[in-house]
Amino acid sequence: GAVVSQHPSRVICKSGTSVKIECRSLDFQATTMFWYRQFPKQSLMLMATSNEGSKATYEQGVEKDKFLINHASLTLSTLTVTSAHPEDSSFYICSAPTGPEAAYEQYFGPGTRLTVT
Amino acid sequence: DAKTTQPPSMDCAEGRAANLPCNHSTISGNEYVYWYRQIHSQGPQYIIHGLKNNETNEMASLIITEDRKSSTLILPHATLRDTAVYYCIVRGANTGNQFYFGTGTSLTVIP
Repeated sequence: GAVVSQHPSRVICKSGTSVKIECRSLDFQATTMFWYRQFPKQSLMLMATSNEGSKATYEQGVEKDKFLINHASLTLSTLTVTSAHPEDSSFYICSAPTGPEAAYEQYFGPGTRLTVT
Repeated sequence: DAKTTQPPSMDCAEGRAANLPCNHSTISGNEYVYWYRQIHSQGPQYIIHGLKNNETNEMASLIITEDRKSSTLILPHATLRDTAVYYCIVRGANTGNQFYFGTGTSLTVIP
């Protein structure tokens, strides 16, 4: 199947700093990508939809000024966690569909483990 | 919000078929049923998806009831590496073609 990568796989940062996470579709183009967050022993929670060439759309309760999303190209979306705090420590996962409609498969990245100290 | 309900956990003997049920009684006509699994600390892995007809691939079979209100994922010969959390997701234009994950089923394959 198609491949989605994330970088870095793990990051530790100090409280108050910002962290950027990259999501790439390696063998297909994605006009839309999705960002999820997963806390221990919980399911994935959709945070936002990243749209190439336009602003991201955020799920209710997700602070857009804290989680900055930039869909720089058809193969790259970035999530920046600004002024990170320990409660932002989580597993962040991106995904990309191979097409615009529900019939198209969607592939997930391997995830990024963020620890804020 | 997730539109599916699944049992929280199941066990299956190694080598036997694992049958994972999913209820999606409010599914709309243009919504697909997707199955993913997640092994600890990894991203979800695509398994299979379908609209109305039963589907089969190298990993699993998907059986969708005629009224489409429920489905079953079948792993024909479960191995220890199939131990994971399995998510059944309904996806369609009504939800912006996005995935909203429910709580999934934690499958444990027992030697």
